Amino acid sequence: QKEVEQNSGPLSVPEGAIASLNCTYSDRGSQSFFWYRQYSGKSPELIMFIYSNGDKEDGRFTAQLNKASQYVSLLIRDSQPSDSATYLCAGVRSGSARQLTFGSGTQLTVLP
Amino acid sequence: NAGVTQTPKFQVLKTGQSMTLQCAQDMNHNSMYWYRQDPGMGLRLIYYSASEGTTDKGEVPNGYNVSRLNKREFSLRLESAAPSQTSVYFCASSYRVGDTEAFFGQGTRLTVV
Repeated sequence: QKEVEQNSGPLSVPEGAIASLNCTYSDRGSQSFFWYRQYSGKSPELIMFIYSNGDKEDGRFTAQLNKASQYVSLLIRDSQPSDSATYLCAGVRSGSARQLTFGSGTQLTVLP
Repeated sequence: NAGVTQTPKFQVLKTGQSMTLQCAQDMNHNSMYWYRQDPGMGLRLIYYSASEGTTDKGEVPNGYNVSRLNKREFSLRLESAAPSQTSVYFCASSYRVGDTEAFFGQGTRLTVV
């Protein structure tokens, strides 16, 4: 079992809709989670991070963390074609190593 | 401000050849990383350096070696390339290991034939 699991998709939503991306993790001690966006042929870039249970909003993006269920999600409101990319969920391992572990990514396509 | 710079961007190797991927960052970050990205596998950590003078294995270290040359530079060496090492390699850096943003280089697309 991978430490961080994501639905690989692909996920398609119409322009203006809400895109919901989901991630589960197995390391119960993980405290910090990140969402990276990666356009095709480009490098990943950070869009959100979340440390605490609950919701964190930044513009059209909302990250949600539920530590009891070991579940992280990213909501993109008013989706735009420019949001079409692969979204990578990452968690920080507990313990001394504290390595960043990535899921396999979810490919999102926003249809005009 | 260049951020994280990797060289080369593309490389084709024959099986058994060796090469070194170079990475440099100008953000005064303490920690640096090498990842590989294969279709459907996400980013997998090969090696990382938490601080200058230290290196540690990640998830998939076999067939690779690294050198943290100084605070800015972190190189990845393939001593005897194999087709299974065909991948896109990303170097990244962060202020410290763990709960800080990682910044990625533009990637190196390596093909081993």
